[in-house]
Amino acid sequence: ETGVTQSPTHLIKTRGQQVTLRCSSQSGHNTVSWYQQALGQGPQFIFQYYREEENGRGNFPPRFSGLQFPNYSSELNVNALELDDSALYLCASSLGGVSGNTIYFGEGSWLTVV
Amino acid sequence: AQSVTQLGSHVSVSEGALVLLRCNYSSSVPPYLFWYVQYPNQGLQLLLKYTSAATLVKGINGFEAEFKKSETSFHLTKPSAHMSDAAEYFCAVSEGGGSYIPTFGRGTSLIVHP
Repeated sequence: ETGVTQSPTHLIKTRGQQVTLRCSSQSGHNTVSWYQQALGQGPQFIFQYYREEENGRGNFPPRFSGLQFPNYSSELNVNALELDDSALYLCASSLGGVSGNTIYFGEGSWLTVV
Repeated sequence: AQSVTQLGSHVSVSEGALVLLRCNYSSSVPPYLFWYVQYPNQGLQLLLKYTSAATLVKGINGFEAEFKKSETSFHLTKPSAHMSDAAEYFCAVSEGGGSYIPTFGRGTSLIVHP
């Protein structure tokens, strides 16, 4: 139990639709990162938020966007869904500003695009 | 730039046998290194991490890993495998700095035979 909760756990969307995934970080953590994990692959970094500001972005198109709220919870939004967006989306929280600090993962949201 | 290579997408051992999962990294600065475990349909759980203290790092569930700078390796070992160790294992590297963003390997699936 990491204290990081994600919702929904599973969802199915149609190509072209939009989706919002949500994450509540561990208490006291001010940094949230999002990862995409395709089947049989390692997690790929999407972006990170630190105190409500985007603080790093991986190689993902602009249709992947996010928000972090004052309570440090976060949302991942994906517009114009494509079949290849089908994956497990992982949220991770940490206490930012400390290199090598442990990040804690939620159990993920399974997205299937049909 | 940082990167991780996990040798062997699948490793099969008998219960009670030695577990060895291989990880080699590339980093332009002294790295932070991590091993995570992922059980089916779950998020990632930290097993252990190296942050420039002792080169032999002990983690949870009897796992340990040794940082070898000359070999750029951080292999994960366990003296005696249990059936419950069957899972996906991910090695990750971070170059530290202000924004802690690890890069993950593609994972190694550990299969434990009775």
